[in-house]
Amino acid sequence: SQQGEEDPQALSIQEGENATMNCSYKTSINNLQWYRQNSGRGLVHLILIRSNEREKHSGRLRVTLDTSKKSSSLLITASRAADTASYFCATAPSSNDYKLSFGAGTTVTVRA
Amino acid sequence: GAVVSQHPSWVICKSGTSVKIECRSLDFQATTMFWYRQFPKQSLMLMATSNEGSKATYEQGVEKDKFLINHASLTLSTLTVTSAHPEDSSFYICSGLGAAGNTDTQYFGPGTRLTVL
Repeated sequence: SQQGEEDPQALSIQEGENATMNCSYKTSINNLQWYRQNSGRGLVHLILIRSNEREKHSGRLRVTLDTSKKSSSLLITASRAADTASYFCATAPSSNDYKLSFGAGTTVTVRA
Repeated sequence: GAVVSQHPSWVICKSGTSVKIECRSLDFQATTMFWYRQFPKQSLMLMATSNEGSKATYEQGVEKDKFLINHASLTLSTLTVTSAHPEDSSFYICSGLGAAGNTDTQYFGPGTRLTVL
């Protein structure tokens, strides 16, 4: 079942700008993951943040996690046209349950 | 990174026929594989979880007799849509779990677009 909600649903920015999207979830989690999906393609794993972590970086990506608010954010800095895609957060409930619940996704369009 | 392939990438079939979709982990042994479906502009919905050598576990509302899953080896899982109907048209995506060094990360295949006429 779908547990996460993401906002905004869609985001349009100019190349070089930063893009921020948020994910909220309802139940306790073991970890939260962010994925990217280009139109009509499979998902690419971007970053995993565990429940005991607050912030994680990977290249131009920065993810935060606030378990008290049950929310996470994904920041893409210095966006490029190639970052145009849909971004999904997904939560895993426990350390021995790997089923993921996906959010509704944020569609990001980066204008050249 | 860990690579998962799916075959075919797209398929068109007539109503009432069965379609088999293969999911392979190419460079790791996937102890668990997951099958999802995705409708246009929507999120992924988990259909079932399959562990090698055992029966798949289906999510609520997913008909196990309609969506047959076989996980015959640590690198191959198949999803067969039996007696397909137009409402089964969707994007089906599999993922594999178990890559060395990232045992709790699911690696996704590129998806299979099924169109039932």
